Amino acid sequence: GQNIDQPTEMTATEGAIVQINCTYQTSGFNGLFWYQQHAGEAPTFLSYNVLDGLEEKGRFSSFLSRSKGYSYLLLKELQMKDSASYLCAVMDSNYQLIWGAGTKLIIKP
Amino acid sequence: NAGVTQTPKFRILKIGQSMTLQCTQDMNHNYMYWYRQDPGMGLKLIYYSVGAGITDKGEVPNGYNVSRSTTEDFPLRLELAAPSQTSVYFCASSYRDYNEQFFGPGTRLTVL
Repeated sequence: GQNIDQPTEMTATEGAIVQINCTYQTSGFNGLFWYQQHAGEAPTFLSYNVLDGLEEKGRFSSFLSRSKGYSYLLLKELQMKDSASYLCAVMDSNYQLIWGAGTKLIIKP
Repeated sequence: NAGVTQTPKFRILKIGQSMTLQCTQDMNHNYMYWYRQDPGMGLKLIYYSVGAGITDKGEVPNGYNVSRSTTEDFPLRLELAAPSQTSVYFCASSYRDYNEQFFGPGTRLTVL
């Protein structure tokens, strides 16, 4: 079966760095997406990885290792507004997104 | 651009009632999707469409129907509502299947 695993909840301090991990087992792979979802709102796109390596976009970076079925999202210089859920999603061989349950990130001052 | 819009924002239905969730996008995207999101679970694909006149089932299509008569609109129909359909429903669109998806604000549906 298809499976996406990510931690349910993480806590970090304002100004610090946090890494959110995602492991996956899917039928085929056509890329991995990270989305941010604030409570009561819609998911919004953060990053896309299809090749191995690190993609950096401002304070956010995303890493992919296809051989290990593993990705992480790195958030630097954490701000209170980064408190949200972070969703990992893998595009399978049918170009459909398989979603993880999300990681709720709590930022403390 | 308004992006993806959904109506209504909230709705309470009685068991056995039916309703249509509306979704419109103004980005001229070919691909449109309907998801449901339940607490503690990942988004589940209900139906999707690759263009006007073409729809296909996702992972959890039972109890739902869709149509796509125009590029802009992709309504989701619930027939004979059941408590198991209590959820948050998101409509999304993308230019191509491998592109990022843009989401509407969601419809919070409760079936009692």
